[in-house]
Amino acid sequence: NAGVTQTPKFRVLKTGQSMTLLCAQDMNHEYMYWYRQDPGMGLRLIHYSVGEGTTAKGEVPDGYNVSRLKKQNFLLGLESAAPSQTSVYFCASSYPGRGPASTDTQYFGPGTRLTVL
Amino acid sequence: KQEVTQIPAALSVPEGENLVLNCSFTDSAIYNLQWFRQDPGKGLTSLLLIQSSQREQTSGRLNASLDKSSGRSTLYIAASQPGDSATYLCAVRPGSSYKLIFGSGTRLLVRP
Repeated sequence: NAGVTQTPKFRVLKTGQSMTLLCAQDMNHEYMYWYRQDPGMGLRLIHYSVGEGTTAKGEVPDGYNVSRLKKQNFLLGLESAAPSQTSVYFCASSYPGRGPASTDTQYFGPGTRLTVL
Repeated sequence: KQEVTQIPAALSVPEGENLVLNCSFTDSAIYNLQWFRQDPGKGLTSLLLIQSSQREQTSGRLNASLDKSSGRSTLYIAASQPGDSATYLCAVRPGSSYKLIFGSGTRLLVRP
């Protein structure tokens, strides 16, 4: 049981280049999330998904796109990278609910450190 | 708009001391609150989750409390150890959403 994994761990891009970050989870979680973490600002939600084939915008979605073609994978795309997108990107997953058995805990991957020059 | 604040931003204590980390939030309509630990260069690890109907949760030397009416949560660490050195983040789940709103964290250093 690997939990949440992210690929790649590090990446350096030039302004205008594109790339895709991959997140995979093996816990059969319905919900998946992409966050970015910047110094002094905590984590901010970029996009999230409440199930296979669905996506929704978070707090800071501009410049990013996502896809959830398979339940276990959640992809984050940067179509034209900008220096402002230099950050550490975290993926998370959860199986939230509203009943007594809800775990609702979000499990995080190890992160991808992205630098845009 | 929900905002989460953690004070202090950094804390240094000698080993063995009991300590309290603070988290405050502006909107009391939350579904739950989570405390996370983050080691340098690593992801987040969930420590404790408190549902809105609960007052506290305990795990080993950790105890988290929640006072929704005042918009506050505390994380109590008993008998601190150097291995507790990390950044601690709290996050609230707004009542109408599955998203988490994070504070910026408290960086804890426990000196041997």
